[in-house]
Parts: sequence; C-alpha cells; structure tokens
Amino acid sequence: EAAVTQSPRNKVAVTGGKVTLSCNQTNNHNNMYWYRQDTGHGLRLIHYSYGAGSTEKGDIPDGYKASRPSQENFSLILELATPSQTSVYFCASGDGTGDSDYTFGSGTRLLVI
Amino acid sequence: GQQVQQSPTSLVLQEGENAELQCNFSTSLNSMQWFYQRPGGSLISVFYNPSGTKQSGRLTSTTVIKERRSSLHISSSQITDSGTYLCAMERGQGGRALIFGTGTTVSVSP
Repeated sequence: EAAVTQSPRNKVAVTGGKVTLSCNQTNNHNNMYWYRQDTGHGLRLIHYSYGAGSTEKGDIPDGYKASRPSQENFSLILELATPSQTSVYFCASGDGTGDSDYTFGSGTRLLVI
Repeated sequence: GQQVQQSPTSLVLQEGENAELQCNFSTSLNSMQWFYQRPGGSLISVFYNPSGTKQSGRLTSTTVIKERRSSLHISSSQITDSGTYLCAMERGQGGRALIFGTGTTVSVSP
C-alpha cells in the first residue's frame, strides 16, 4: 500500500545539536512537503520539493534545511536545534493533480532541551 | 494575519446530533481541502472541494468561492467522528502546498 513513512517517531535533542528527520514515500509523487504543527498555529509549511534535487522555502524556513536526494526521500535538517523548534513535524506527498492526493506521514514528535 | 480562519474552535456533541464547521479565507480561494486528524495522529484527506457541494456518507462539504468560505456538515454524529477537522487552501505558488486553519476539535459523547 502506498504510504508516507517518517522516522524517527519521537526524538529528544539537545540545544545546538544537529537533528535530521527522514521521510520516505512509495506513492511515486513528485511533490513532497514538510510542515510543523503547533497549538494555536495549525500546520505551517517549512520546505517543499518538486522532485529529486529540488528544494524550495516555505513560509517558515529559518533554522531548517531540506534535502531531496531521490523521488522517494525528503529530509528535514536542523543544523543547530533550538527549544523553539520543539514541535510535531509532518511530511506529506502529492502529485499536484488535486482530488485528495495529499498523503501525510504519522508525524515526528521533536523535543529540544 | 491568519489567512484561513476556522470556527468554532471546539464542539461538543451528543451522539446523533448534527454539526456545521466553518472555514473562511481572507484571500482569493485557489482550491481547498478538508482533513481529519485523530489525537496524536496523522492527517487524512476528507474532501478535496474547490467549489460546489460534495457528499461522502454522513459528511457534506460546500465551498462558495465568491464568498471565500467552505463548510463541513456532519450529520447524525457518531463517537468515531471525534477528532480535529482542519481546512486548508492552496498557496498561490509552490507545488500545491497548503495553508491550514487552526482546526475545529469535535468531541462526540454517547
């Protein structure tokens, strides 16, 4: 079954450390997205990608990098983690043609201490 | 400011009651979707509804582009409807990335 898989499910990181969140999709979708979800803000777009080798800034990219080495994989990188980046992170994929093609992963709960 | 506003913030229902969730957009509406999220869970697309009315079982979505609003109607609510419902519209640019509302949390009790 086509899916979006995120790892790890939970992560505790220290301030100033490097964190990498991974996302893998088997939908063969061109577009992939990273969002974070915080109480009172809903989901906000961090980075997205149109395909392998492409990354684009979303609405809140500061402090984050993204990498799309292949169609299937899209990573979110926090080079110097801060407590303000404590959140739940969701990865999603879509093929850009509409009609409910958005598929979300189960989320990664990140705590930066 | 917030481009996508949802109301109410939360809703408590007795099983069998109907409910109407609202979503209003401050900018021109490109396209919109409704998602359902269980507590601590992933998001599942419920409706892709850029305009007009769509129905799926006990759920009905109506989008009125000119009025920049969309609604989700739940009829004969069941306990399994409990969770958070989020609406989202497409950004004007950017691979169909979405701008989300903050959600309506629905709690259905027996």
